[in-house]
Amino acid sequence: NAGVTQTPKFQVLKTGQSMTLQCAQDMNHEYMSWYRQDPGMGLRLIHYSVGAGITDQGEVPNGYNVSRSTTEDFPLRLLSAAPSQTSVYFCASRMGQLNTEAFFGQGTRLTVV
Amino acid sequence: QQPVQSPQAVILREGEDAVINCSSSKALYSVHWYRQKHGEAPVFLMILLKGGEQKGHDKISASFNEKKQQSSLYLTASQLSYSGTYFCGARGDTGRRALTFGSGTRLQVQP
Repeated sequence: NAGVTQTPKFQVLKTGQSMTLQCAQDMNHEYMSWYRQDPGMGLRLIHYSVGAGITDQGEVPNGYNVSRSTTEDFPLRLLSAAPSQTSVYFCASRMGQLNTEAFFGQGTRLTVV
Repeated sequence: QQPVQSPQAVILREGEDAVINCSSSKALYSVHWYRQKHGEAPVFLMILLKGGEQKGHDKISASFNEKKQQSSLYLTASQLSYSGTYFCGARGDTGRRALTFGSGTRLQVQP
């Protein structure tokens, strides 16, 4: 049982480049979310999805796009990377019920130079 | 809006107790607690629901005061393995259904 899988684990981008962070889960979870983690800022919600075809913005959505075409996958796209997007990105999933735990992927460490 | 955690950091000796607090300005349906070791992903500890009981996990327990929109995590007789950063995650009573997390409390347990 793989759980939540994120790829890549590490990435260096140049300012202005685009890329997609991948997130896949094999637990048939309805809810999936993307967070970024910066020192002293905790985990900040970027975008989330409550099911295939349904996405919504979180606290810090600017500069990021998401889509949810399948239950399993929830990719995060950076359209034009900026140094301010240097961070560790976590994807999380959980069942649709309200009182269920979130499972996190191992994170993607992104550096924009 | 992120919940607010306090303290930001705490250093303990093995066997000592600690309390971590989490408060929100909005009405909450549930509060989640997670622990993250350095370089790893956050790991679930427990969930407290509106109207629910105080929860416990070994010597770690938590409470949820609905009227004050506050939760507290209690670590009793701390062990070296308790070291890490603790996050509270809040799910509002209305609106957005995703979890928003506090900025974390770094706990270091020394021998």
